Amino acid sequence: GEQVEQRPPHLSVREGDSAIIICTYTDSATAYFSWYKQEAGAGLQLLMSVLSNVDRKEEQGLTVLLNKKDKRLSLNLTAAHPGDSAVYFCAVSAGTGGYKVVFGSGTRLLVSP
Amino acid sequence: EAAVTQSPRNKVTVTGGNVTLSCRQTNSHNYMYWYRQDTGHGLRLIHYSYGAGNLQIGDVPDGYKATRTTQEDFFLLLELASPSQTSLYFCASSDYREEQYFGPGTRLTVL
Repeated sequence: GEQVEQRPPHLSVREGDSAIIICTYTDSATAYFSWYKQEAGAGLQLLMSVLSNVDRKEEQGLTVLLNKKDKRLSLNLTAAHPGDSAVYFCAVSAGTGGYKVVFGSGTRLLVSP
Repeated sequence: EAAVTQSPRNKVTVTGGNVTLSCRQTNSHNYMYWYRQDTGHGLRLIHYSYGAGNLQIGDVPDGYKATRTTQEDFFLLLELASPSQTSLYFCASSDYREEQYFGPGTRLTVL
C-alpha cells in the first residue's frame, strides 16, 4: 500500500524566513495531494490541495510543488510569521473518491519573532 | 459555523468502561471517518463510512465499533475500553474530492 514519509519532523525558523516541508510517496497512481495545518488543541484544517496534473500552486504565501517523477510533494511557506506555528501534514490519495487518504507523520513548525 | 462537531470534547473512563464518541457533519458529505492521533504515529484510520448504514474497516479497527445512523451522524463505540485506547480522536467528512474536513477532536483517557 501507499507509504508516505514526511520530513523534517521539527522545523524552527525566524519570522520572515521560508519554511519547506517535504513528503515522498510510493504509489505512482497517487492522484490527489493535500496539505493540512493543525494548531494547538484543534483539528486539522485543509490548506491547499492539488491534482496530479498540477506541478505548482500558490495561494496566500503558500507554494505547493509536485514532482511526479521523484514522487515528491513540498510545501513552502514564504515569509513565515509566528501565526504559522503549527503542525503540518501532507496527505495523498488515489483520487478515486472518498476513502483511504494516507497522511504523513507531521512537521511541527515553530516560527520565532 | 463549525461544519463538523464532536462530543464530548474530553472523556475520562476506566478500563473496561463503555464509551461512545459522537460526530455530526453539516457538509452534506457522503464520507465520514474516525481517526486516532498519537505521538509518533500520526493519524491512523479506525473506521469510515460512505453513507448511512454503511461501515468500512480502517487500518486500526481492533477494539472499536462504529455506526453511521444518518448522513450527518457517525459514532465510535469502545465497549471495553483499555488504556491503549487513550488517544486524541478526530472525526472528518469528505466528498468525492477527498478534501477532508475535521472536527475539533475528543481527548479520551482510559485509566
